[in-house]
Amino acid sequence: GNSVTQMEGPVTLSEEAFLTINCTYTATGYPSLFWYVQYPGEGLQLLLKATKADDKGSNKGFEATYRKETTSFHLEKGSVQVSDSAVYFCALTPIGNTGKLIFGQGTTLQVKP
Amino acid sequence: DGGITQSPKYLFRKEGQNVTLSCEQNLNHDAMYWYRQDPGQGLRLIYYSQIVNDFQKGDIAEGYSVSREKKESFPLTVTSAQKNPTAFYLCASGRGAGNEKLFFGSGTQLSVL
Repeated sequence: GNSVTQMEGPVTLSEEAFLTINCTYTATGYPSLFWYVQYPGEGLQLLLKATKADDKGSNKGFEATYRKETTSFHLEKGSVQVSDSAVYFCALTPIGNTGKLIFGQGTTLQVKP
Repeated sequence: DGGITQSPKYLFRKEGQNVTLSCEQNLNHDAMYWYRQDPGQGLRLIYYSQIVNDFQKGDIAEGYSVSREKKESFPLTVTSAQKNPTAFYLCASGRGAGNEKLFFGSGTQLSVL
């Protein structure tokens, strides 16, 4: 079946540190891949997406590259800020699916000044 | 402003009681979704609807019911058959295409008295 696995959190970093949150997936064919972010007490917001192999999604300094050979979509940011503290969810929509998202378990990021 | 609105923000349920969570969107989206969020488990799909007067069960539909009488509205009822209802409930909407982002409401925290 289709599934998403993220690295366990919480991830605690100092401001300006480099961030990587690992995400791997299991799916048939070429699903669309997403990273969503959830700030405390709020719903989720789309951070970035990629719809085909080797695509790179980017937004607000965050990047993730769709790697078909390793079935991965790791999230990276070169220099994190305190305001990046949130829960990050990796997700996919399978081929032929009409918008349903399958989520990973979420990774909490805490950035300290 | 266009968006998706959930109410109430907090809800308490007594034993044996049914409660209804509201979700309204003015984005003219065809598809709407209900997700349940538990700590450390990511989001799980309860029900979804791709068109008015039609809806399908997600992965954890037991103990829940929905209706889609209007395009803008997709209320979720948590019935007394749901034995572990305490969770954060998120409603989302989208155009129903597989590679399009979903828009999320700010959620309802349901607790059992």
